[in-house]
Amino acid sequence: DAGVTQSPTHLIKTRGQQVTLRCSPISGHKSVSWYQQVLGQGPQFIFQYYEKEERGRGNFPDRFSARQFPNYSSELNVNALLLGDSALYLCASSPRGGVNTEAFFGQGTRLTVV
Amino acid sequence: SQQGEEDPQALSIQEGENATMNCSYKTSINNLQWYRQNSGRGLVHLILIRSNEREKHSGRLRVTLDTSKKSSSLLITASRAADTASYFCATGGTSYDKVIFGPGTSLSVIP
Repeated sequence: DAGVTQSPTHLIKTRGQQVTLRCSPISGHKSVSWYQQVLGQGPQFIFQYYEKEERGRGNFPDRFSARQFPNYSSELNVNALLLGDSALYLCASSPRGGVNTEAFFGQGTRLTVV
Repeated sequence: SQQGEEDPQALSIQEGENATMNCSYKTSINNLQWYRQNSGRGLVHLILIRSNEREKHSGRLRVTLDTSKKSSSLLITASRAADTASYFCATGGTSYDKVIFGPGTSLSVIP
């Protein structure tokens, strides 16, 4: 069975640009969460979606948005990129929403903003 | 800010030795999870311990949870070079939505 897949794996963008990151969860999983991981730190929670609805949002500015599609795949959008947005963006899927469940992570998208 | 804090930040041991990492947190939790990350790639789930459990085992891993001290420990027995990675604790609180990760412990196992 395929695990969580993220695309692209690497991306270089210029300050001020917009970026869209994509995530396909494990088949049968209905929840997708997004995390930002800056080098040397732990992942920071951005969003959780369950059954196509936003169920949680971390402390990120409105430049960050996401959505979940009927097939449970998800996109993370970041507008007006800043140098500080350079990070590894991780997507995790779970069979159900909430915090009492194991999360399965993709390999991440490494975003570099120049 | 992150809720979990791992200790130590870095740990270097010889192959075959045991490795112990600690995690402290600040507020009430529903569960605590440990994850491993190799070379800045995706995280791999190791174990989940619920707030009403005190100890859990999985292979060479042993996790303890002390809710009165708001702390957890991860013990890796008979370490191998392949255990070299960063280890993170993650807490799930009463909120439905958030899992909060600590900054991690970097473990190096020397062959």
